[in-house]
Amino acid sequence: DQQVKQNSPSLSVQEGRISILNCDYTNSMFDYFLWYKKYPAEGPTFLISISSIKDKNEDGRFTVFLNKSAKHLSLHIVPSQPGDSAVYFCAASYGGSARQLTFGSGTQLTVLP
Amino acid sequence: KAGVTQTPRYLIKTRGQQVTLSCSPISGHRSVSWYQQTPGQGLQFLFEYFSETQRNKGNFPGRFSGRQFSNSRSEMNVSTLELGDSALYLCASSLVPGGAYNEQFFGPGTRLTVL
Repeated sequence: DQQVKQNSPSLSVQEGRISILNCDYTNSMFDYFLWYKKYPAEGPTFLISISSIKDKNEDGRFTVFLNKSAKHLSLHIVPSQPGDSAVYFCAASYGGSARQLTFGSGTQLTVLP
Repeated sequence: KAGVTQTPRYLIKTRGQQVTLSCSPISGHRSVSWYQQTPGQGLQFLFEYFSETQRNKGNFPGRFSGRQFSNSRSEMNVSTLELGDSALYLCASSLVPGGAYNEQFFGPGTRLTVL
């Protein structure tokens, strides 16, 4: 039972346009969400996070939106650059000291020059 | 500052064998988590160690085990390997435990192939 789902395995976007990556979750206990980016042959790197008390968090070109009622979050990249081409994972967690990350299966973003 | 290092980077084993993977966290980081990445499954949490103690464990069989040393380096062991254990094994470190609430830094992973 996948509690965090990324239903689009791949996404292609033109350079300069907006990239929107989506993530759905089923566990209403999740209260902290993160996005990671992964290049081939490297480990994932942290991108941006959001707490469930917020509905938006922005960091430069990256914005994460959280819709708790729909159990949906999205990552917006504006403007998209070729260097953004990577696999993007969303992750969620809940609990106190025993928190652990539950990841989605990832979305391959390709930004075309 | 050196990042998270994992050794070996690639490993080929046969069914029934056992394997040990190593992870050295970023200097000063005391929490180490392990993940398994397989195609279509994303990253699945294996366990987390802090101060040589396992703090949290994912839903994996007992064949998967780990430990952490006093210098925060960690090893994970998989016994009686199965074909389905073929995966990328990632290690992540963070300053404090509860890495899911703090930024984790990942190593490049160990690619294990079981034949």
